[in-house]
Amino acid sequence: NAGVTQTPKFQVLKTGQSMTLQCAQDMNHNSMYWYRQDPGMGLRLIYYSASEGTTDKGEVPNGYNVSRLNKREFSLRLESAAPSQTSVYFCASSEQVQRPPYEQYFGPGTRLTVT
Amino acid sequence: GESVGLHLPTLSVQEGDNSIINCAYSNSASDYFIWYKQESGKGPQFIIDIRSNMDKRQGQRVTVLLNKTVKHLSLQIAATQPGDSAVYFCAENPFSGGYNKLIFGAGTRLAVHP
Repeated sequence: NAGVTQTPKFQVLKTGQSMTLQCAQDMNHNSMYWYRQDPGMGLRLIYYSASEGTTDKGEVPNGYNVSRLNKREFSLRLESAAPSQTSVYFCASSEQVQRPPYEQYFGPGTRLTVT
Repeated sequence: GESVGLHLPTLSVQEGDNSIINCAYSNSASDYFIWYKQESGKGPQFIIDIRSNMDKRQGQRVTVLLNKTVKHLSLQIAATQPGDSAVYFCAENPFSGGYNKLIFGAGTRLAVHP
């Protein structure tokens, strides 16, 4: 039981390049999330998927797109990377969004640098 | 990772002492709170949660206290160990009965010295 896995662990992009961050969970959770974490700041929600087939914007969605490929997988795409998107990206999952428990389980993160 | 936690408030304690990490939350309608621990280079890990109808909840070596009057949350760690060194985040769910969209605080770094 691996929990939440993310690939890649590290990535360096040039401004304007695109890439997709992959996330998968094996806990049969309904809901999945993408966050970014910047130095000295808490986690900020980019997008979330309450259930398979649905996605919604979070606090900082600009410059990103997501796909809930199936119940297990939730990907984050940067179409044209900018230096402001340099950050650590975390994927998380939870049983559901509508009622407790609200605990979210996090992956190990992807460290992205855009030059 | 290594860059996360720059400019964070730091609590330094001696091994064996008790630690108290504080958090002020923003929304009086929040009905659920979680404490997470994040070690260097890893994702946040759940420690303990508490619902708004409780004032106190205890886990293994940890206790969370909730004061709704002043919108304050604290995490107490008993007999702090070197393995407790990490950044600790509180998170609130501001949507009573609604969606689980946790709002995270900036975090506090706990440094345990032998």
